[in-house]
Amino acid sequence: AQKVTQAQTEISVVEKEDVTLDCVYETRDTTYYLFWYKQPPSGELVFLIRRNSFDEQNEISGRYSWNFQKSTSSFNFTITASQVVDSAVYFCALSDPYSGGGADGLTFGKGTHLIIQP
Amino acid sequence: ETGVTQSPTHLIKTRGQQVTLRCSSQSGHNTVSWYQQALGQGPQFIFQYYREEENGRGNFPPRFSGLQFPNYSSELNVNALELDDSALYLCASSHEGSETEAFFGQGTRLTVV
Repeated sequence: AQKVTQAQTEISVVEKEDVTLDCVYETRDTTYYLFWYKQPPSGELVFLIRRNSFDEQNEISGRYSWNFQKSTSSFNFTITASQVVDSAVYFCALSDPYSGGGADGLTFGKGTHLIIQP
Repeated sequence: ETGVTQSPTHLIKTRGQQVTLRCSSQSGHNTVSWYQQALGQGPQFIFQYYREEENGRGNFPPRFSGLQFPNYSSELNVNALELDDSALYLCASSHEGSETEAFFGQGTRLTVV
């Protein structure tokens, strides 16, 4: 069975601080995709990144960066120089091997509520 | 803002009733997935539709059913509503066989009383 653990229920930092959101996953599959989504108060899930299991290269996109380590089954997300607009709930998700990277069959963690204080 | 539209945005139903939620997919997307998100939890996969047929299902009972139409819009039907069905219901559209990302709608908040 697949499982995603986001141990940090809530994180509160002051604006401009760096913050890392942890994600640990469990799967027996060798082919899978990992995702991060942002959920603002409006409710929709905003796609941030998808990474397939064969690509362990870290990625940076502006103030966002992701660290994928298969050895520890982790896919952590760092926001550099956080801003108030980053406040949201962030979800890490794991696909099954048949989804082809789409939105079906995703296993989500419980989410981390990130609060950026001005 | 994505091109995925869900209706209604909020809904209140009584236990035992039936409900239909609707989702209009992003243009060019042929696959729709539905998720249930209880308060304070992550979304849980209900099922996916591709070419008007169910193409995968999570751990939900048969009273959760769906439809996909030729224009790729979709419905989620829930019969015999229970109090625990109160949740945010999200749909996501994507294109099967493509590496493009999936887009989620803003969800329908269902309250069962």
